[in-house]
Amino acid sequence: TQLLEQSPQFLSIQEGENLTVYCNSSSVFSSLQWYRQEPGEGPVLLVTVVTGGEVKKLKRLTFQFGDARKDSSLHITAAQTGDTGLYLCAGTYSGTYKYIFGTGTRLKVLA
Amino acid sequence: DVKVTQSSRYLVKRTGEKVFLECVQDMDHENMFWYRQDPGLGLRLIYFSYDVKMKEKGDIPEGYSVSREKKERFSLILESASTNQTSMYLCASSPLDRSGFNEQFFGPGTRLTVL
Repeated sequence: TQLLEQSPQFLSIQEGENLTVYCNSSSVFSSLQWYRQEPGEGPVLLVTVVTGGEVKKLKRLTFQFGDARKDSSLHITAAQTGDTGLYLCAGTYSGTYKYIFGTGTRLKVLA
Repeated sequence: DVKVTQSSRYLVKRTGEKVFLECVQDMDHENMFWYRQDPGLGLRLIYFSYDVKMKEKGDIPEGYSVSREKKERFSLILESASTNQTSMYLCASSPLDRSGFNEQFFGPGTRLTVL
């Protein structure tokens, strides 16, 4: 059973555009992480959000954790070709080692 | 520079063969994980280990086994490979912390094709 759904599944945009990726679940998570994976590489952590309603910024990337800790969003401002990759969200439960990964959003930014 | 390495980037095997995928981490992490990654399905956990000789099943353990004889090494074994095990296999490690807030460090992946 897939507990974390991401949307959209694919996104192709022009450089300079803004975009938002969503990660939704019916479960409450103790924390939620966002990873980016480039071709031929493993995922690399971008951010961890812990508190409901929390907003974190990483340069042009803004991450938000939903108030109920069931969903999250990633907003990219003025996308660049270097943002191209697969974006994965991953939820964790306190007291467990397990990470539940989302279905992924494949982003392509065109020059 | 922290590192997780996997024994092969690409592997082609025949149906019925026994397949070993090796993973080594140099960060002295307690936790190690094996995932498979398929388009549209994200990463699915096969097995994880929180200590030497300790292992727990993930979401899709059928057809796989694991071995952790040393802290830095975690092996995934396909006893009799089948075509539906064609996939990208990712190994990861993380430090021991039950808070669940830890970063997982991933290897580059092994793309396995079973013919």
